[in-house]
Amino acid sequence: AQTVTQSQPEMSVQEAETVTLSCTYDTSESDYYLFWYKQPPSRQMILVIRQEAYKQQNATENRFSVNFQKAAKSFSLKISDSQLGDAAMYFCAYRRSNYGGSQGNLIFGKGTKLSVKP
Amino acid sequence: NAGVTQTPKFQVLKTGQSMTLQCAQDMNHNSMYWYRQDPGMGLRLIYYSASEGTTDKGEVPNGYNVSRLNKREFSLRLESAAPSQTSVYFCASRRGGRATDTQYFGPGTRLTVL
Repeated sequence: AQTVTQSQPEMSVQEAETVTLSCTYDTSESDYYLFWYKQPPSRQMILVIRQEAYKQQNATENRFSVNFQKAAKSFSLKISDSQLGDAAMYFCAYRRSNYGGSQGNLIFGKGTKLSVKP
Repeated sequence: NAGVTQTPKFQVLKTGQSMTLQCAQDMNHNSMYWYRQDPGMGLRLIYYSASEGTTDKGEVPNGYNVSRLNKREFSLRLESAAPSQTSVYFCASRRGGRATDTQYFGPGTRLTVL
């Protein structure tokens, strides 16, 4: 079974600085998708960034980027120029490819709580 | 366009009571999901419905039932609530059929079972 591990329960960053959140996963599949979701105090789950495993290029969305190391099964999130609004729980998630009968279920890590200091 | 909506937002039950959590999406999505989130844990899948008329168990289905009423609505029922079911419940939907499409989440229901 696939598993997702986030080894940092809490992280802290100074406003305008850069922070990296770690995620590792375990799978025997070669085709899959990885996601980072943000959960602010409002509880709403917000997709931050997505990476397709077959793409070697790391995904980027404005201040958010990932370092995807397929061989090492590592998928870290880098937040540049951190803002107060970035303070939230961040969840790493895995999903199998649709091919082969998967129904698109997400498997989540336990989350990292990010604090941003002014 | 409301996306994914859930009712109620908060609920307190006594042990043994029953209730149904409602979920609806207006994005014409095929697949819908129910997750629970406990403190210190990520979201865990309870049940899902790949398409209208089908439902399947997820990781933690015990104590729950679901109904895919139509393409828009997917309800989660607790027949006899237990304190272990105190959690935050999220409904999600996905268009399906494309490997890269995104799962969209509702705002969650905080359920407390006394």
